[in-house]
Amino acid sequence: EADIYQTPRYLVIGTGKKITLECSQTMGHDKMYWYQQDPGMELHLIHYSYGVNSTEKGDLSSESTVSRIRTEHFPLTLESARPSHTSQYLCASGQGYTEAFFGQGTRLTVV
Amino acid sequence: ELKVEQNPLFLSMQEGKNYTIYCNYSTTSDRLYWYRQDPGKSLESLFVLLSNGAVKQEGRLMASLDTKARLSTLHITAAVHDLSATYFCAADFGNEKLTFGTGTRLTIIP
Repeated sequence: EADIYQTPRYLVIGTGKKITLECSQTMGHDKMYWYQQDPGMELHLIHYSYGVNSTEKGDLSSESTVSRIRTEHFPLTLESARPSHTSQYLCASGQGYTEAFFGQGTRLTVV
Repeated sequence: ELKVEQNPLFLSMQEGKNYTIYCNYSTTSDRLYWYRQDPGKSLESLFVLLSNGAVKQEGRLMASLDTKARLSTLHITAAVHDLSATYFCAADFGNEKLTFGTGTRLTIIP
């Protein structure tokens, strides 16, 4: 069973607030990803990392930023939340050619 | 452009029937993945296909990969209600990132 955790599961926050979505994995995977998904829609890659101190932007432009200071931790930060950021954010990790394992997701609502 | 397309987008089928979901991708990929997502939930890995001709089966689901045709299929045999979910395929185009298809929302009707 995959061990990848996201917190919080649900977040309702006001416009302009700074937020950090947490993602941790205990599998020692080098690769980690953040995807954004609107309900019932496809997943869009917004950030990825191949290892410590390695981060890249994904295919979908995002105002969020990420960091990878430790292998197991890959937090995502929004400096100033807006209603357009309302979505589900899914964190995943993987190694080699194995499948990516997904966390439970954070459902973000900005009001 | 790196692209993954699925069809159909929506599928409503009766219990007991067979059907196939198709996943086409735009350029060479030797690695294809299938996931299941239940409403409001995260993604669960179903199959990993790593070579041309690969076939994997689990219960009523069977996935295959034809790299020459750039096509993967997910076949459902004798559908049951608890298979209702959204199914995604994803390809790794050699850049160690997964590009996802649009998803197929499957509804099994009693």
